[in-house]
Order: sequence, then structure tokens, then C-alpha cells
Amino acid sequence: EVQLVESGGGLAQPGGSLRLSCVGSGFTFNKHSMNWLRQTPGKGLEWLSYISHAGTDMRYADSVRGRFTISRDDAQNSLYLQMNSLRAEDTGLYYCARDEGFCTGGRCYRWKDLWGQGTLVTVSS
Amino acid sequence: EIVVTQSPATLSVSPGERATLSCRTSQSVDTNLAWYQQKRGQSPRLLVYGASTRATGIPARFSGSGSGTEFTLTINSLLPEDSAVYYCHQYEDCPPYIFGQGTKLEIK
Repeated sequence: EVQLVESGGGLAQPGGSLRLSCVGSGFTFNKHSMNWLRQTPGKGLEWLSYISHAGTDMRYADSVRGRFTISRDDAQNSLYLQMNSLRAEDTGLYYCARDEGFCTGGRCYRWKDLWGQGTLVTVSS
Repeated sequence: EIVVTQSPATLSVSPGERATLSCRTSQSVDTNLAWYQQKRGQSPRLLVYGASTRATGIPARFSGSGSGTEFTLTINSLLPEDSAVYYCHQYEDCPPYIFGQGTKLEIK
């Protein structure tokens, strides 16, 4: 079965850290760029971070740049999100999502074709 | 940064009828727009990409159209299980990847 499974969510104190994991199965993990997104009642679906299929290009939303770090281990078919300096506004349901798309004219166009079930992060004292 | 606006916020339609959901972007995204369905308690599911191409396994009742800044998701012959929140997502100017705020579709 083609799927993504997240883990690692939980309760963290403001200023604390969490590490999220996402394991892919049923597809060739290293052929796809990957993303972390979150969903909150206040901001809806928010993209957080991207990592290229080769793991050499990482991008971040302004809201998490400098605090969150995305990485991948293709030998383990795994994607990670290291979250430091957590804030109350980081509370939400975190998803990993696979990219599908194409590149042309020096630009790439990617939509999210597979999502995990999500892992809940709560930041509170 | 491109702004994505969906309308209406909530739509209530009877079974068997047609629902029309709109998505507008603040600047042209050509046809680089996707639609997702999120049922209660589930993660988003890709319905349409390239503005009009149905994803694998998506029934023909779902159709996307539009280009530039105006897009529509049409759902024909509504079923009770179509009750969900529907999101559009532009991937022309990325990252950051921007999603609309969603349209909640209620089946009466």
C-alpha cells in the first residue's frame, strides 16, 4: 500500500523541541521531493518546509525558518522535521506530503499527491 | 506572494444536484492549480491537478476548469459522502506553497 505515516507529535513546552518523523512505503521514496505542512483552526493549511528528492535543496516558510530543520534518510524511507524554540502558535496537526510534478524552462511545478494521516503537536506550559 | 481566495466559505446543496466551488488567485498561475478534498478526521486527498486533470481514482463527477486567475471545481450528482472541506492550492509561484482557506460543502 502506498502511504505515509507520521509520528513524533505530542506535548512540548514553549521553547522546547520535538522531532517529527514520516515513513513512506509502497513507492520509490528517493524519487520524490517531500514537504511538511500543518493545519490549524486559525491559519488553515500552511506549508512549512520542502526538501528536494536529492536532499540538497531545502526551503522554509518564514514562520519556521531558523527554528525548524527538514531532513531525509532515503535508506530508511524517512523524512524528518526537527522543531526547536517551539511557540504556542506552532500547535497544530502536522502532515508530511509527497510531491508530484514536472520541471520545465528551469522551473518546477509540484503538487502534493500523497499525504500522511498527521501527527498532533501541542505547545503549552 | 500569490494570494488564493476561495468562495463561498460554505455551500449547502441537495443530493443529486451540482456544486460549484470557486478559487481565485491574485495573479496568474496559468493552470498550476490543484484541488483537494478533506473529509472530517481525514487528511487532504488530491482531486485535481493542472487545473483540470483528475487524480488517479477520482470519479468523473469531479471536474476542474479554469486558467490564469479564475478556477472552478464542479461536483455533479452529489452524494452524501461528498460532504467535506475543499481546498485549492497554487503551485505556480513556489515555495511558499499557498492554499486557499477552503469551502465547506454540506449535503442537505
